[in-house]
Amino acid sequence: DQQVKQNSPSLSVQEGRISILNCDYTNSMFDYFLWYKKYPAEGPTFLISISSIKDKNEDGRFTVFLNKSAKHLSLHIVPSQPGDSAVYFCAASALWAGNTPLVFGKGTRLSVIA
Amino acid sequence: DGGITQSPKYLFRKEGQNVTLSCEQNLNHDAMYWYRQDPGQGLRLIYYSQIVNDFQKGDIAEGYSVSREKKESFPLTVTSAQKNPTAFYLCASSIILLPTGRGIGETQYFGPGTRLLVL
Repeated sequence: DQQVKQNSPSLSVQEGRISILNCDYTNSMFDYFLWYKKYPAEGPTFLISISSIKDKNEDGRFTVFLNKSAKHLSLHIVPSQPGDSAVYFCAASALWAGNTPLVFGKGTRLSVIA
Repeated sequence: DGGITQSPKYLFRKEGQNVTLSCEQNLNHDAMYWYRQDPGQGLRLIYYSQIVNDFQKGDIAEGYSVSREKKESFPLTVTSAQKNPTAFYLCASSIILLPTGRGIGETQYFGPGTRLLVL
């Protein structure tokens, strides 16, 4: 039973265009969401997070949107660069409601084509 | 400079052998975690620890053991009972702010990983 789902295993985008990575969750107790970026044979790197009290958080080229009613979040990367090519993991937790460890999705492989 | 280190980068295990993966952090984080990554499986939680001398099983703890004798260290032993140990192992840590309830779902920071291969 996957509580965090990334339904697109891969995504290809041209350099300079927008990349949109999607994530859905089923547990309504989740109140804190994160995105991680991972290169092969390296540990994931924290990118950006959002609390359930917000619907948008922005950090440079990266913006995360949260739609609580749809239990959906997305990561937008604008403009996409070749160095953004990596696997992106969505993660969620119930910080206030359950103190549970992060639950990760299976990841989406982004390829940015020059 | 602060961070999480894992050693070795590559580890080979013979049949029936126990091996131990090292994870050290100097971030003064309270919680530490072990994950396993297999192709197409994402990150699966093996064990986690919120405080010294205490740890909890994650989703796939069978065939693994851990200890948390020091705040900085959280070694993972892959025992001979783990029948499919070949994977990329990741250690992570996070801060815990007690007693407000903000805790182990906080942002985690990962080490560089150890790849375990079976001979």
